[in-house]
Formats: sequence, C-alpha cells, structure tokens
Amino acid sequence: GAVVSQHPSRVICKSGTSVKIECRSLDFQATTMFWYRQFPKQSLMLMATSNEGSKATYEQGVEKDKFLINHASLTLSTLTVTSAHPEDSSFYICSATQGLPNTEAFFGQGTRLTVV
Amino acid sequence: QQQVKQSPQSLIVQKGGISIINCAYENTAFDYFPWYQQFPGKGPALLIAIRPDVSEKKEGRFTISFNKSAKQFSLHIMDSQPGDSATYFCAASIWSGNTGKLIFGQGTTLQVKP
Repeated sequence: GAVVSQHPSRVICKSGTSVKIECRSLDFQATTMFWYRQFPKQSLMLMATSNEGSKATYEQGVEKDKFLINHASLTLSTLTVTSAHPEDSSFYICSATQGLPNTEAFFGQGTRLTVV
Repeated sequence: QQQVKQSPQSLIVQKGGISIINCAYENTAFDYFPWYQQFPGKGPALLIAIRPDVSEKKEGRFTISFNKSAKQFSLHIMDSQPGDSATYFCAASIWSGNTGKLIFGQGTTLQVKP
C-alpha cells in the first residue's frame, strides 16, 4: 500500500509554545488529507479535512485558531498546535487519500504530543 | 445518524479460535466500509474493506460479512493468533461535497491468548 509519513513520532513541548506536525504522502498525490486526534483507549476523532490549495474544513468544536492546518502541496500537510497547553496532549494522526470515491485512506504512524 | 456503533468493546479469544466484531450504521449514504487494525502507539492500517453491493469479502484469515438490509457488517478473524492482538476499528465512508470522510466505530480491543 501507499506510504504516509508523519513526523515527528513523539514531541514534548513546554506550555505556551507551538508545535508543528508534518504529514507527507511519499508515493502518491494526496488531494485530501485528514487530521485526527485520539485519546487513550478511544476512537479516532476527526479534527479537520484539508484539500490541497484550499482552506481546511474543521469539525464542530475544533478550534481553528489553535489547530492550524496547511495543505500547500499534494504531498504535504501540516498541523500546528498553537500556544499548546497540557490538555492538548494527545495522539495526533493524519491520513491521506487521492480524493476519489471509495478509495483507501492511508494513515501516518501518529505523533504523540506531550505538553508539560 | 452519522454514527457507526461497534461491539464488543473488548474481546478475548483463544489461539486458533474465531474473533467476531460487529458494527451497525444508520446512514444509507455510507458507500464504503473498511476495517482498520491499530497497534499501540501506531497509526491504523487498513485490514480489509467492502462496498455495499457485496455481501462478503474474504482475504486470507479475514472476512467481512455485510448485511445491507440490516445495516450491519462484521469482521471475522479465523484461526486467531496472538499477533492479531490489537485494536480493531470499523469505519464507514460518506461522500460530502467533493470529499469523502471516514466515520469510525468505537473500537474493539482483541486479545488472543496463546
């Protein structure tokens, strides 16, 4: 299957700082990328959907100004957690698709964010 | 209406046994039903997927059974192995505008005992 690379896999940051997480599709053009958040022993919660060259569409309850998403190219999307606080600590996962109906979504390996 | 309900929450099976996980949905607009396997600290990986015009799909030890009229689908893992111990998520895809997005079930933690 196609490869989606997410970086970093783990990050620890101080409260009040910003953290950027990268999601790259390595061998296909990802028209659409998704960002999820996952709490321990829980399901994946969709945060936002981004189409290349367009503004991200955020799910209800997700703060746009806190979770900045950029999808500037067909192979790269970034999630920036701004002014991070301990409650933002979580497992963040991206996925990428070619944007066609009934096609597989490929997931990155996830990023464990710890805000201290 | 966009929920996907998954059960059981956890499952313990002996090695060689059959693991069965069930999912149900309400929205008939869902058009693609994948199952994902997730190991601790890793992202989900696609296991097997089915479209609603097919009632069953088998890949190796993994089988999806799909009942369109009942709006239910299930994953069967035959000859379960300790290496299958992981969390399994069913999902359903819905097309909105020009984007398809996945709605995930709550997850099932499977433990296969040696």
